[in-house]
Amino acid sequence: QITLNESGPTLVKPTQTLTLTCTFSGFSLTNGGVGVGWIRQPPGKALEWLALIYWDDDKRYSPSLKSRLTVTKDTSKNQVVLTMTNVDPVDTATYYCAHYTTVHWFHPWGQGTLVTVSS
Amino acid sequence: SYVLTQPPSVSVAPGQTARVPCGGNNIGSKSVHWYQQKPGQAPVLVVYDDNDRPSGIVERFSGSRSGNTATLTISRVEAGDEADYYCQVWDNFYSQGGVIFGGGTKLTVL
Repeated sequence: QITLNESGPTLVKPTQTLTLTCTFSGFSLTNGGVGVGWIRQPPGKALEWLALIYWDDDKRYSPSLKSRLTVTKDTSKNQVVLTMTNVDPVDTATYYCAHYTTVHWFHPWGQGTLVTVSS
Repeated sequence: SYVLTQPPSVSVAPGQTARVPCGGNNIGSKSVHWYQQKPGQAPVLVVYDDNDRPSGIVERFSGSRSGNTATLTISRVEAGDEADYYCQVWDNFYSQGGVIFGGGTKLTVL
């Protein structure tokens, strides 16, 4: 059974860097074809894809946020870390990580973590 | 970049069939995936690769494509199907590719 769990701060000040960790079980990021994605959802709004990291360390980013995002993996800990620099109140959202494969769908998802950006 | 267009809302009576459209240019060349999100919960994959269902998803959920529109069909709608539904594709933009989500459709069961 695959499970994912997001963790990180619930409140971040504007201009700071946000670091979120996705800890997973039930699969390994050393296996071919496997990846982890990050998706966010502002309150009351739609899903927005942020980033992907694959088993071979290939990385993809949303073009609109690429300059602010970095995704890394620690296969020994079964963790994926997303960092977002220079946050703004518009970055307030629930952030999800999800299991992903080269067939391009997310399944399953973590429960999400709400991050509020406010001074 | 590629855009997926969904109506903000769809309403259906219990027992009827709900159809949630997702429009995109040349969507027929892409595999479409669908997610259900109930209030306060994480999204759940209900259809992948146009018309396949993950384990545990009932047969009432199905998908199709025609022209520039993909459609999620929910047969014999139940009150528990009330949720937001999102379509998703992979698009090869900027020569690297990435994930595209539709804007979501709120399904209301009357």
